[in-house]
Amino acid sequence: KAGVTQTPRYLIKTRGQQVTLSCSPISGHRSVSWYQQTPGQGLQFLFEYFSETQRNKGNFPGRFSGRQFSNSRSEMNVSTLELGDSALYLCASSLGLAGGYTDTQYFGPGTRLTVL
Amino acid sequence: AQSVAQPEDQVNVAEGNPLTVKCTYSVSGNPYLFWYVQYPNRGLQFLLKYITGDNLVKGSYGFEAEFNKSQTSFHLKKPSALVSDSALYFCAVRGPLNRDDKIIFGKGTRLHILP
Repeated sequence: KAGVTQTPRYLIKTRGQQVTLSCSPISGHRSVSWYQQTPGQGLQFLFEYFSETQRNKGNFPGRFSGRQFSNSRSEMNVSTLELGDSALYLCASSLGLAGGYTDTQYFGPGTRLTVL
Repeated sequence: AQSVAQPEDQVNVAEGNPLTVKCTYSVSGNPYLFWYVQYPNRGLQFLLKYITGDNLVKGSYGFEAEFNKSQTSFHLKKPSALVSDSALYFCAVRGPLNRDDKIIFGKGTRLHILP
């Protein structure tokens, strides 16, 4: 089975721009979660989608949004980029059944976003 | 609110020696606990998880972890360290069935195995 894929792998943007990141989950997985990883804050949960519905959301401003499509692929959007948004954005997929609380998550390699 | 702590930013162990990476948690009710490992320029990989049952959980690459409810700990262990175990290790906790509970990751512990 193919693993979780994320595109693009690297991205450079300037302040004020917006960006869209894409994640394709493992075939059969219906849940996709997004995380932001920075040296200072560590790994922080952004949001989780299951069957095209946002099931859970972390403590991030409204500039961060996401969506999931009927094929379980997910996109994450950040509008009005700030310098502090520079980070590794990780996507993880899981089966998502029964609320997904006990799920093993399978992570993609991440998208490295640099905001100048 | 639930939380997880990894008290050591870095752990150094000589190859062949036993290793321990510490994790403590705080959650109301019974927790679901996970360990993940991150190699350079890679995403996280699952090592093991505790859901219920036997307190000693065995996982990938010879790692194991012991759930200790009284000490609210879930330390990761391996009897004999390999240089290839050098990586960044994350402990994560999720509360019991609650719509608002999110998975929380620790800050990570960098493990250095010295040849």
